[in-house]
Amino acid sequence: DAMVIQNPRYQVTQFGKPVTLSCSQTLNHNVMYWYQQKSSQAPKLLFHYYDKDFNNEADTPDNFQSRRPNTSFCFLDIRSPGLGDAAMYLCATSSRPRDEQFFGPGTRLTVL
Amino acid sequence: AQKITQTQPGMFVQEKEAVTLDCTYDTSDPSYGLFWYKQPSSGEMIFLIYQGSYDQQNATEGRYSLNFQKARKSANLVISASQLGDSAMYFCAMREPRGGGADGLTFGKGTHLIIQP
Repeated sequence: DAMVIQNPRYQVTQFGKPVTLSCSQTLNHNVMYWYQQKSSQAPKLLFHYYDKDFNNEADTPDNFQSRRPNTSFCFLDIRSPGLGDAAMYLCATSSRPRDEQFFGPGTRLTVL
Repeated sequence: AQKITQTQPGMFVQEKEAVTLDCTYDTSDPSYGLFWYKQPSSGEMIFLIYQGSYDQQNATEGRYSLNFQKARKSANLVISASQLGDSAMYFCAMREPRGGGADGLTFGKGTHLIIQP
């Protein structure tokens, strides 16, 4: 089935150790989004790719970067994770900018 | 200022009853979209229903319907004949223009719905 896949589902990293989260999609959607959801909070948009164009939210910390090497894959890089970066990271895709967004199962990041 | 307001942090409902989850929004953009997502304890966000600002009729998807009152800026989710599997967090979200041509979602704080047998 066509879907949005996130790997790993659970990631543990150490304070300050770079970590990369992965998202792939078989939907051939043009837009890919990364959301951060801290415990008991609403998801918050970090950035998105519209095709190859990267768009950062104004309040996304510089510590967070993203790469989209092709249509199917998008990566979230956290250069120096802090304790406050522990959260669920949700990847979503949409065919066109204003279409419904399909979410992956998320990666739960723990920072020790 | 909060753009999406969900005033019910938690709700307990008896199985088979109908339930209404409240959502109000704030935007000056005449073109916007409103979404409801369900998030079970596993964490996945499951799309339920969508209402466009120019849609004349209220959206319906199976047991889900959206009570859209544009003048009041409300978009309440109605679940008919609730089931035990409906227990989850429910998020109301609004599509807003962002830089770069794509729209991101702004979410409310969610309502934790628990269906009791």
